Amino acid sequence: DAKTTQPNSMESNEEEPVHLPCNHSTISGTDYIHWYRQLPSQGPEYVIHGLTSNVNNRMASLAIAEDRKSSTLILHRATLRDAAVYYCILRDAGGSQGNLIFGKGTKLSVKP
Amino acid sequence: ETGVTQSPTHLIKTRGQQVTLRCSSQSGHNTVSWYQQALGQGPQFIFQYYREEENGRGNFPPRFSGLQFPNYSSELNVNALELDDSALYLCASSLGVAAGELFFGEGSRLTVL
Repeated sequence: DAKTTQPNSMESNEEEPVHLPCNHSTISGTDYIHWYRQLPSQGPEYVIHGLTSNVNNRMASLAIAEDRKSSTLILHRATLRDAAVYYCILRDAGGSQGNLIFGKGTKLSVKP
Repeated sequence: ETGVTQSPTHLIKTRGQQVTLRCSSQSGHNTVSWYQQALGQGPQFIFQYYREEENGRGNFPPRFSGLQFPNYSSELNVNALELDDSALYLCASSLGVAAGELFFGEGSRLTVL
């Protein structure tokens, strides 16, 4: 699976939008972009995933660059509960394994 | 719908001992993956089981082994424990091996002294 690059940490104010960037310059055509987050003392939690088009769900939006070499996870209104480590992961749609390759992620702090 | 549950939540072992960790997958999920998460690091894939067969393995030695049962629950066994095995062990279940979403449990925290 291809590698992703994320900032180590970011800060946000409560109720403001947050844009979490991810670079994946070696992405292949069959790689999906997945985002998971891990709250303190919990297991990772699925956030969103996409292939080419922007995606929205109840938790977040995923904006994917036209060349797919980068993407941005958007939290529209950060809450204190959104403070977590966010992982951007590439996953081959044609792969026979369900393994995810996690990096160190971005630690998001949310200030009241 | 019951989520992924793991047991025990915490345990302490000494070097050379053996440990068994257990995972009950989410209802209807036939695939279980195990991950090891050292402090300050992202989770690392250990192996995956699909319909009771190992279906992929990460870079872990053979002393890490597993089982999946007919009800799709799973065990992770680690023999000859080493200090570096101290970590959070996470179980994730999914429907199918290439599923879009993995559902993780809260993990078992293993400390090796």
